[in-house]
Amino acid sequence: DAGVTQSPTHLIKTRGQQVTLRCSPKSGHDTVSWYQQALGQGPQFIFQYYEEEERQRGNFPDRFSGHQFPNYSSELNVNALLLGDSALYLCASSPLQSSYNEQFFGPGTRLTVL
Amino acid sequence: AQSVTQLDSHVSVSEGTPVLLRCNYSSSYSPSLFWYVQHPNKGLQLLLKYTSAATLVKGINGFEAEFKKSETSFHLTKPSAHMSDAAEYFCVLMFSGGYNKLIFGAGTRLAVHP
Repeated sequence: DAGVTQSPTHLIKTRGQQVTLRCSPKSGHDTVSWYQQALGQGPQFIFQYYEEEERQRGNFPDRFSGHQFPNYSSELNVNALLLGDSALYLCASSPLQSSYNEQFFGPGTRLTVL
Repeated sequence: AQSVTQLDSHVSVSEGTPVLLRCNYSSSYSPSLFWYVQHPNKGLQLLLKYTSAATLVKGINGFEAEFKKSETSFHLTKPSAHMSDAAEYFCVLMFSGGYNKLIFGAGTRLAVHP
């Protein structure tokens, strides 16, 4: 059983560009959350998707958007990249009916903005 | 407001000696608390969780944590450190507003010396 997978592993972009990151949840999971982890910090919640809709959002600007597909996979899009967007982006999945709401994390995508 | 404070950014121990990683939380509600570990270039892995059952929680790899409501603490301990324990550790609070949103501490980097 594959866990949470993310692609690409690493990405280098320049300021002003747009980027799309992808996530496939663990089998049987229908909820996907995205987190941003800046260097030396703990992950920060960006947003969560369930049933193809954004269900909750953290304190991130509208430049950050997402999508969830019918197969529960998800994309994170960031427009007009800033240097400060350089970070490790983590995807986490969970089953909606989990009694203790454990989230399973992927290895992340390392985004570098030059 | 709900928050998590990890009291030490770095902890260094010798192999075979006890490990103590300290965490305090702030929550107006009965919290769900977790400890996650992050090894280099790997995803976050759940070590243990507290969800209002027993206050002493046992996790994987010999780790355990004790929930102390009077001290608003959830410290992580291990009797004997192993070289493979060297990693970044995050104390995590589940946001009581629902939807599994996780609030991470800043992390504690554990170094284990021979």
